[in-house]
Amino acid sequence: EDKVVQSPLSLVVHEGDTVTLNCSYEVTNFRSLLWYKQEKKAPTFLFMLTSSGIEKKSGRLSSILDKKELFSILNITATQTGDSAVYLCAVEARSYGGSQGNLIFGKGTKLSVKP
Amino acid sequence: KAGVTQTPRYLIKTRGQQVTLSCSPISGHRSVSWYQQTPGQGLQFLFEYFSETQRNKGNFPGRFSGRQFSNSRSEMNVSTLELGDSALYLCASSWDLQMGNTEAFFGQGTRLTVV
Repeated sequence: EDKVVQSPLSLVVHEGDTVTLNCSYEVTNFRSLLWYKQEKKAPTFLFMLTSSGIEKKSGRLSSILDKKELFSILNITATQTGDSAVYLCAVEARSYGGSQGNLIFGKGTKLSVKP
Repeated sequence: KAGVTQTPRYLIKTRGQQVTLSCSPISGHRSVSWYQQTPGQGLQFLFEYFSETQRNKGNFPGRFSGRQFSNSRSEMNVSTLELGDSALYLCASSWDLQMGNTEAFFGQGTRLTVV
């Protein structure tokens, strides 16, 4: 069964700290891995990763994928209170003989940034 | 460009009733996916529609159904509601998730409470 596991489940840091969130997966016919930030309701898209070793960066956030070891990390540097949210990792898979259009989500990492 | 719109935002129903939720995707997006989010299970895939056809379905009972209209708007229906159906129901749209490498954008969700 396909699964996505995120760690840690929750994390409390202080402003200015750097955090690393982890996402490992066991998915048949991997296609892409996505990171979302969910503050209240709608998860907002952060990154989509398809190739190993290529870092994606947006401001203080960056992410990288390792398709050999089947994991991804999301880094946030110089954290701010506005970074407090649940960070979701999702993997898109495809099966031969039929294709899937769904994302398999991890349970998320709840990040709390204290002033 | 308008985002994904879900209505209603909040809903309270009693056990045994049925409910219909609506999702209007981003203009031009043809793929609509539905997810159920609960504290215990996280985000779980319900089904995905593309060009009025259900392409993929998650592991939910037959009480959960959906459809998509020619304008790509989608509805999901839950019949014979149970207390355990209380959740945040999220809709995501993409140009065509099966094409790969296209991120899904989420709506604000409908918070369903079954009493």
